[in-house]
Amino acid sequence: QVQLVQSGAEVKKPGASVNISCKASGYTFGSYVIHWVRQAPGQRPEWLAYINAGNGYTRYSRKFQGRVTSARDTSATTVYMDLSGLISEDTAVYYCTREALGAYDLWGQGTMVTVSS
Amino acid sequence: DIVMTQSPDSLAVSLGERATIHCKSSQGVVSSNNKNYLAWYQQKPGQPPKLLIYWASTRASGVPDRFEGSGSGADFTLTISSLQSDDVAIYYCQQYYETPRTFGGGTRLELE
Repeated sequence: QVQLVQSGAEVKKPGASVNISCKASGYTFGSYVIHWVRQAPGQRPEWLAYINAGNGYTRYSRKFQGRVTSARDTSATTVYMDLSGLISEDTAVYYCTREALGAYDLWGQGTMVTVSS
Repeated sequence: DIVMTQSPDSLAVSLGERATIHCKSSQGVVSSNNKNYLAWYQQKPGQPPKLLIYWASTRASGVPDRFEGSGSGADFTLTISSLQSDDVAIYYCQQYYETPRTFGGGTRLELE
C-alpha cells in the first residue's frame, strides 16, 4: 500500500550526527517532494528540509542550514536525512512527509531522536 | 517567516455540538489565482498529523463532511459541525504559501 516507513528510534550524544531513512512504497517515487518535519514534545511541528525525489533538488531551513542534509536513492525509493551537531534541543520525533498539492498528504510513522549525554 | 496563530489553545465541546477553531497568518497566504495555501491537520497521541483540509476548504480523501474549512487571505476557520468522540485530538493549521512551511501552535479539542 501507499506508505512511508521510517527507521527506528535513535539515542545520540551531544555533538553526534543522526541519519534517518524514509522508504516510500505504493506510488511513483520520483513524482513527489518529500519534506522533513520534526516535533518536540508538546510543541508544534517544525519544518527542516525538503527534497525533490525526482531530481534530487533540496532546500533547507535557514535555522538548520549547515547542520541538515537530505538525499535520495531512487533505486531503493528511499529518502535520507542527516542532522549533525546534535544538541539536547534536537530531541524530537522526526517525520518524513509527502507533499501533494502543497499540503502533506502522507506521513511516516515518525522516528524518535533523543539527544542525551 | 510567516507566523501562524491559532485560537483558542484548548476547547471543550459536548458530543454532537459544534467546534470552531481559528487560525490567523501574519501575512496573507492567498495567491493571485485566489488559492489559499492553508491546510488543517488532526493529530492524535503517538501518531503523525493527518491531513484534513487543503486549499483552506477542500476536504482530503476520506475526511468526513462534518469537517469544514473556510476563510481567505489571513483568517481561517476549521469547523466540526457535530463533534464525535473520535474527533478528540490536537488540530494544527499550516501555511504552504512560502518556505519555510509553518504551523500554528495547535488547538487541543476535548470532550465536555
